[in-house]
Amino acid sequence: DGGITQSPKYLFRKEGQNVTLSCEQNLNHDAMYWYRQDPGQGLRLIYYSQIVNDFQKGDIAEGYSVSREKKESFPLTVTSAQKNPTAFYLCASMAGFSGANVLTFGAGSRLTVL
Amino acid sequence: AQSVTQLGSHVSVSEGALVLLRCNYSSSVPPYLFWYVQYPNQGLQLLLKYTSAATLVKGINGFEAEFKKSETSFHLTKPSAHMSDAAEYFCAVSDGVTGGGNKLTFGTGTQLKVEL
Repeated sequence: DGGITQSPKYLFRKEGQNVTLSCEQNLNHDAMYWYRQDPGQGLRLIYYSQIVNDFQKGDIAEGYSVSREKKESFPLTVTSAQKNPTAFYLCASMAGFSGANVLTFGAGSRLTVL
Repeated sequence: AQSVTQLGSHVSVSEGALVLLRCNYSSSVPPYLFWYVQYPNQGLQLLLKYTSAATLVKGINGFEAEFKKSETSFHLTKPSAHMSDAAEYFCAVSDGVTGGGNKLTFGTGTQLKVEL
């Protein structure tokens, strides 16, 4: 079955450490997105990519980095510069760029900073 | 700039009662509108979407939403709530700007509780 796989599901990090969240899709979608979810704040866009080797900052990119070396992969690194990294992270993808297209989401990764 | 406002962060209904979750949007262009549902510790799933073909949109699990341009609203309804409907619901808007990443803007969510 086609879909988006995020790993790990749960991740614990000590302050000052970088961590990388994996996102892989086998839907052959062009665009991929990373959202951060905090209680009561909805989803906020961190980074997105429309094509391999290109990506754009979203609304809250500070303290995060991404790469898009392959169409199916869009890993997110949470760096030590992110002041409040504890959150639920969601990866999503979309076929094409029409406004009517639908985002397909992964199951998410929950990061906790100890 | 586009935005979405969901009125009521928590809504509680009795099983069998009407479900009404409110969403108002702001967009400088004709919008595309979406409702997604999220169960605990999972990703979001699409319930329905509005793309200007019809103002009353039917989705999965008996949900529907009506686009009202004059009220800039896209409220989600279901005639009879079921226990399995308990989840968090998100309204989202896209301005469909190609080349701009086609970014969706999400509301802050409404947690639906269904009581016996």
